[in-house]
Amino acid sequence: DGGITQSPKYLFRKEGQNVTLSCEQNLNHDAMYWYRQDPGQGLRLIYYSQIVNDFQKGDIAEGYSVSREKKESFPLTVTSAQKNPTAFYLCASLTRRVGGAEAFFGQGTRLTVV
Amino acid sequence: AQSVSQHNHHVILSEAASLELGCNYSYGGTVNLFWYVQYPGQHLQLLLKYFSGDPLVKGIKGFEAEFIKSKFSFNLRKPSVQWSDTAEYFCAVNEAGGGNKLTFGTGTQLKVEL
Repeated sequence: DGGITQSPKYLFRKEGQNVTLSCEQNLNHDAMYWYRQDPGQGLRLIYYSQIVNDFQKGDIAEGYSVSREKKESFPLTVTSAQKNPTAFYLCASLTRRVGGAEAFFGQGTRLTVV
Repeated sequence: AQSVSQHNHHVILSEAASLELGCNYSYGGTVNLFWYVQYPGQHLQLLLKYFSGDPLVKGIKGFEAEFIKSKFSFNLRKPSVQWSDTAEYFCAVNEAGGGNKLTFGTGTQLKVEL
């Protein structure tokens, strides 16, 4: 089935360690996004990419990095510079169709830094 | 920078009451607009979307939204809410051209009481 796969579902890391969250899609979508969801703050955009080898900072990019070497993959690295990394992370992709666009979401990764 | 505002953070209604949740955005160009719902313990689900044409769009579960371009608004409505509508509701805006950014509001937590 076509969709977006995020892995792992739960991730625990020690403070000061970098960690990479995986996001893979087989929908052939050009655009991909990473969001962070915290209670009361909605989904805040971290990074997004329109095409391979290109990405832009979102509203809260500090402490995060991404790459887009393949159309299917958009991994997110949470670096030690991120002050408060414990959160729920959502990956999405978007396709443009005649008349508009549609976004699809992964199941999310809950990262806990201890 | 594009932003999305949801002014009602918490709403409590009795069953059968009417619902209107506000959403305003700041982007001046062509937009695609969405409302998503997140039920407790579940993932985001698309309620409805606007791309072009009739500014009044109907979605699932009796929800509708009206796009008012002059007010940069896309308010969500439901004539009569049910207890099962208890959830968090997110408005989202996609820039139809240029950057393809997809930005979410902070969400509105709706609680429907019996």
